[in-house]
Amino acid sequence: NAGVTQTPKFQVLKTGQSMTLQCAQDMNHNSMYWYRQDPGMGLRLIYYSASEGTTDKGEVPNGYNVSRLNKREFSLRLESAAPSQTSVYFCASSVVSGDQETQYFGPGTRLLVL
Amino acid sequence: LAKTTQPISMDSYEGQEVNITCSHNNIATNDYITWYQQFPSQGPRFIIQGYKTKVTNEVASLFIPADRKSSTLSLPRVSLSDTAVYYCLVGDGQGYSTLTFGKGTMLLVSP
Repeated sequence: NAGVTQTPKFQVLKTGQSMTLQCAQDMNHNSMYWYRQDPGMGLRLIYYSASEGTTDKGEVPNGYNVSRLNKREFSLRLESAAPSQTSVYFCASSVVSGDQETQYFGPGTRLLVL
Repeated sequence: LAKTTQPISMDSYEGQEVNITCSHNNIATNDYITWYQQFPSQGPRFIIQGYKTKVTNEVASLFIPADRKSSTLSLPRVSLSDTAVYYCLVGDGQGYSTLTFGKGTMLLVSP
């Protein structure tokens, strides 16, 4: 199993450009998440998807849109990138076993907006 | 959402036991306590989860007092490779947006 994969690994954008960050998991998990992490900060939840076909806002959704294309894939789109969106973006999926939930994270996408 | 408070950083030496304490005064009845580890340039990795008393796995132990307002992650005999950021999270174990990552504790293990 590849686990959670993210593409691209790195990206440089100019202000106003758009792009889509891709995430896929092969663990048959229902829930998927997008986080951003800024230097010296913890992870902040952008959007999440509890199951295929559903998405909900997290703590910092402004400037982003998401699509849960199918059970495997959850993409994050920046319609008009801003320098404040320079960050490392992590995708995660989770499984609940009994009373325990475990999140599995991808390797991250490093985004620089000039 | 229950908030957590952890030390910003801790220092240790190889071979020592490290205890990282997390405060979560507003923990709800259904909430579990989960710890993640994050190495530089990687996503966080699940370490351990518990509800009360003590939980132990091959990596760490988690101690939770009866009032559950705090918890302590214990790493036995740390090595240089344990240098990482450790996050304490509180949530109901059902996923979604109930897990909030704070700034974590930066553990530096020296030779």
